[in-house]
Amino acid sequence: NAGVTQTPKFQVLKTGQSMTLQCAQDMNHEYMSWYRQDPGMGLRLIHYSVGAGITDQGEVPNGYNVSRSTTEDFPLRLLSAAPSQTSVYFCASTQRRSGSGEQYFGPGTRLTVT
Amino acid sequence: AQKVTQAQTEISVVEKEDVTLDCVYETRDTTYYLFWYKQPPSGELVFLIRRNSFDEQNEISGRYSWNFQKSTSSFNFTITASQVVDSAVYFCALSEAGSNYKLTFGKGTLLTVNP
Repeated sequence: NAGVTQTPKFQVLKTGQSMTLQCAQDMNHEYMSWYRQDPGMGLRLIHYSVGAGITDQGEVPNGYNVSRSTTEDFPLRLLSAAPSQTSVYFCASTQRRSGSGEQYFGPGTRLTVT
Repeated sequence: AQKVTQAQTEISVVEKEDVTLDCVYETRDTTYYLFWYKQPPSGELVFLIRRNSFDEQNEISGRYSWNFQKSTSSFNFTITASQVVDSAVYFCALSEAGSNYKLTFGKGTLLTVNP
């Protein structure tokens, strides 16, 4: 059981470039979420998914796209990177059955946009 | 809207001291869940505890204890006899019942335990 995996661990982008942060989980969890962590700001929800084919916006969705074609994968796309998107990105998953169980977090991707 | 406030940005203690991390929350929901996560210097997020709004019993796990008081909307975390390995950022978080995929986090408290 690998849990929640994220790739890459580190990435440097130039302003305007696009990229996809990958997230996968092998726990058959229905729910998956993306957060960003900025210094002094805690973690803020970007997008979430309650199942394959269903996604919705969180608190800070601008500049990001998501899709969920399978239960296992939940990629986060940056369409045109901006310096304001420099952050650490965490993917998380949790099961629907318990309703309010803990979220399992991936190790994070540290993104720098220059 | 939900809100979690961790007023202590940084705390520094000497090993073996007890330390309490404060967490105050706001929500209109009658059923909700509160969480604490630890983020050590390595960066991963480690789940510590979950508490639902109907269970106000305090909980103790080894050197860790949690005090949930609905009357003051607080969910404080105490480390007894702190150790250097407790040095980390600690986050308090809140979710509506059934919506644990949408956590609202506090800004975190950086705890430094000095030898």
